[in-house]
Amino acid sequence: GEEVAQTPKHLVRGEGQKAKLYCAPIKGHSYVFWYQQVLKNEFKFLISFQNENVFDETGMPKERFSAKCLPNSPCSLEIQATKLEDSAVYFCASSGGVAGPFEQFFGPGTRLTVL
Amino acid sequence: GENVEQHPSTLSVQEGDSAVIKCTYSDSASNYFPWYKQELGKGPQLIIDIRSNVGEKKDQRIAVTLNKTAKHFSLHITETQPEDSAVYFCAPVEYGNKLVFGAGTILRVKS
Repeated sequence: GEEVAQTPKHLVRGEGQKAKLYCAPIKGHSYVFWYQQVLKNEFKFLISFQNENVFDETGMPKERFSAKCLPNSPCSLEIQATKLEDSAVYFCASSGGVAGPFEQFFGPGTRLTVL
Repeated sequence: GENVEQHPSTLSVQEGDSAVIKCTYSDSASNYFPWYKQELGKGPQLIIDIRSNVGEKKDQRIAVTLNKTAKHFSLHITETQPEDSAVYFCAPVEYGNKLVFGAGTILRVKS
């Protein structure tokens, strides 16, 4: 598609439950990025992919967070055993089309609320 | 890693006036400097960007200037309109193409 699609828009989980978020990048884009936006607008980089390969995972809390980008499937970000501090808006972005690898286009986000 | 500072944190201007937001960064290897606009409940929208080999870029009412020596770049919005009200972020790219976001500037355009 022409836009980055993210599902669901909202997700509510009890502490300790699993959460799974999905992202469909813009068609033809080879890079996918996940960012977390918490209160006061702070953005944190989590992980990036080049096609189905992890490109940079330096921002991932590895104990509970995992992510995948498999061929012919939406990318996913999964949080095992959610904690209160995981409450945030999670954005997916893609890049790598004709505009080059730098220009990242963001989806509308998934708001995760952990109760 | 990259350290990014953005000023001011809030900016109120009268409709028709200009607005300027400044961003400083620490990584001299950064070579791509975008500005994003985020409206309430939406994802960041790329509004303008500049590469390290250029000093200024303009797109209608929006411009970005880059000073690589001083490690700062600025967003300029002229003839502001109420629909320019939003949160603006600078986000220089760090090694690995990841964006490092500033803290954001809330711009309010009063009509």
